[in-house]
Amino acid sequence: DQQVKQNSPSLSVQEGRISILNCDYTNSMFDYFLWYKKYPAEGPTFLISISSIKDKNEDGRFTVFLNKSAKHLSLHIVPSQPGDSAVYFCAATTFSWGKLQFGAGTQVVVTP
Amino acid sequence: DTAVSQTPKYLVTQMGNDKSIKCEQNLGHDTMYWYKQDSKKFLKIMFSYNNKELIINETVPNRFSPKSPDKAHLNLHINSLELGDSAVYFCASSPRGAGTQETQYFGPGTRLLVL
Repeated sequence: DQQVKQNSPSLSVQEGRISILNCDYTNSMFDYFLWYKKYPAEGPTFLISISSIKDKNEDGRFTVFLNKSAKHLSLHIVPSQPGDSAVYFCAATTFSWGKLQFGAGTQVVVTP
Repeated sequence: DTAVSQTPKYLVTQMGNDKSIKCEQNLGHDTMYWYKQDSKKFLKIMFSYNNKELIINETVPNRFSPKSPDKAHLNLHINSLELGDSAVYFCASSPRGAGTQETQYFGPGTRLLVL
């Protein structure tokens, strides 16, 4: 039962433009959401997170938006850089769970 | 100075063998995890330990046995390896675990191939 879904397996974007990655979830108990970035042959690296009490969180070029009513979150990367080319995983958890539920990931390719 | 480290990075073995994967974290975290990334690239939780105590035990065959000698180490032993065990296994840690909203930090992964 996949409770976190990333429906776009891949995304190609030009350097300098905005990358928008989407994530949908089905479990209304989720209250903490995270984005991880993963390069080949490496482990996932934490990027940014958001609590369900917020609808936006920014960290430099990365902004995460949360729409609880739609059970949807998105990650915006502005401006996109070649080093952003990686797989991005959306993850969610509940306060009591202690485990992360991951989406399938979106492969981002930033072209010059 | 790696925060979460795993050994070995690659493991190729025959069906039926027993193997272990080791994980160490130097972040001073209380909770450690094992995740499996299967061929479809989904990362799924297998186990979680908090201060050497088993907290999460997902539906995993009992051929998989985690062991935590201290809170900085969480090893994964796999008996009678099967072809379907081929995957990438990631260790992770977090400061406290359940009951908080916190980030989990991942190791580089161990790529297991069972022939």
